[in-house]
Amino acid sequence: KAGVTQTPRYLIKTRGQQVTLSCSPISGHRSVSWYQQTPGQGLQFLFEYFSETQRNKGNFPGRFSGRQFSNSRSEMNVSTLELGDSALYLCASSLGTSGRIGTQYFGPGTRLTVL
Amino acid sequence: GENVEQHPSTLSVQEGDSAVIKCTYSDSASNYFPWYKQELGKGPQLIIDIRSNVGEKKDQRIAVTLNKTAKHFSLHITETQPEDSAVYFCADSHPGNMLTFGGGTRLMVKP
Repeated sequence: KAGVTQTPRYLIKTRGQQVTLSCSPISGHRSVSWYQQTPGQGLQFLFEYFSETQRNKGNFPGRFSGRQFSNSRSEMNVSTLELGDSALYLCASSLGTSGRIGTQYFGPGTRLTVL
Repeated sequence: GENVEQHPSTLSVQEGDSAVIKCTYSDSASNYFPWYKQELGKGPQLIIDIRSNVGEKKDQRIAVTLNKTAKHFSLHITETQPEDSAVYFCADSHPGNMLTFGGGTRLMVKP
């Protein structure tokens, strides 16, 4: 079974621009979570989508948004980029359907550099 | 807010020795504790996890122990090999599939 895929793998943007990152979960998984990884703050939860609905949100500004499509693929968008948004953005998928926390499987990430 | 502390931040061992990484958490409602291994240029890979109804879980050279009373859990790697060198993260879980991660431990296994 194919793993979690993320595109693109690398991005370079300038301040003020916006960016869209894409994530395709493992086949059959309906939950997609996004995390930001930086050397200073570590791994931080952005948001989680399940059945096209945002189910949980971390403590990030409104410039960070996301969505999920009917095939469970997800995108996240960052508007008005700031230098501090440079990070590795990770997507994780899980079944999401049981009453308990599901095992999350991570993709390779998208490395975003803001100049 | 919710916090997961992880120690040590770096750990250097000789090949064949054991390595132990410890984490403490603050949310008494947490009930799922995964461990991830991250190699350079890759995303975190799940290596073992434990749920709150279990005190210990083992998978070959890797084991995790959980003490809910003290709110801490540990990763034990025995007979370490150079390929075990990586950054290891502990995490605990919250409703909505949200994981809170520790700061990471860079493990170096010297041949």
